[in-house]
Amino acid sequence: GAVVSQHPSWVICKSGTSVKIECRSLDFQATTMFWYRQFPKQSLMLMATSNEGSKATYEQGVEKDKFLINHASLTLSTLTVTSAHPEDSSFYICSADHTGTDTQYFGPGTRLTVL
Amino acid sequence: GNSVTQMEGPVTLSEEAFLTINCTYTATGYPSLFWYVQYPGEGLQLLLKATKADDKGSNKGFEATYRKETTSFHLEKGSVQVSDSAVYFCALRGNTPLVFGKGTRLSVIA
Repeated sequence: GAVVSQHPSWVICKSGTSVKIECRSLDFQATTMFWYRQFPKQSLMLMATSNEGSKATYEQGVEKDKFLINHASLTLSTLTVTSAHPEDSSFYICSADHTGTDTQYFGPGTRLTVL
Repeated sequence: GNSVTQMEGPVTLSEEAFLTINCTYTATGYPSLFWYVQYPGEGLQLLLKATKADDKGSNKGFEATYRKETTSFHLEKGSVQVSDSAVYFCALRGNTPLVFGKGTRLSVIA
């Protein structure tokens, strides 16, 4: 139980285009989901907290107009990287709060490469 | 604010060696403590957790005990295997999302 999926697992795009990443909780409901970014050989950096039916809360220094987050249902959150540039290339990982517990379950990550 | 400090890696061990990865934390209140493991190219998997002082989390031969007096949550395994090679993250959670340590890379050689 407590499985989180992400799609796509990897994506290559041209500079200036937008990319959408989906995060789904497969067997539980998640009122809250989180989006992280991870650089090579580094820890995870929290980008934003996504609450179902309301606006996301972004961490300091994260551009909300560039990283659009939508949490339209209790099992789906999406991250859209708008007008992507090479510096946005990274490993993006989502996690979902198992409602009623204090445990976050993580997706397998999406590797984004912007050419 | 809340923070987690874990030992710097990389750690290289021979198969069947004893493993300890130190983790200490700073937090207000009574956080829950976690160890996550990340295999190459993958996301994080929950390895074990403890929610209150003196609790011991255990899974797959790994153990960690929530020590409030020393604010520590050290990860141990009695006999590591090559398949344990991964990056291990200590984390805590209070009233905020998870706060991670920097991660410790473990390599186990046959």
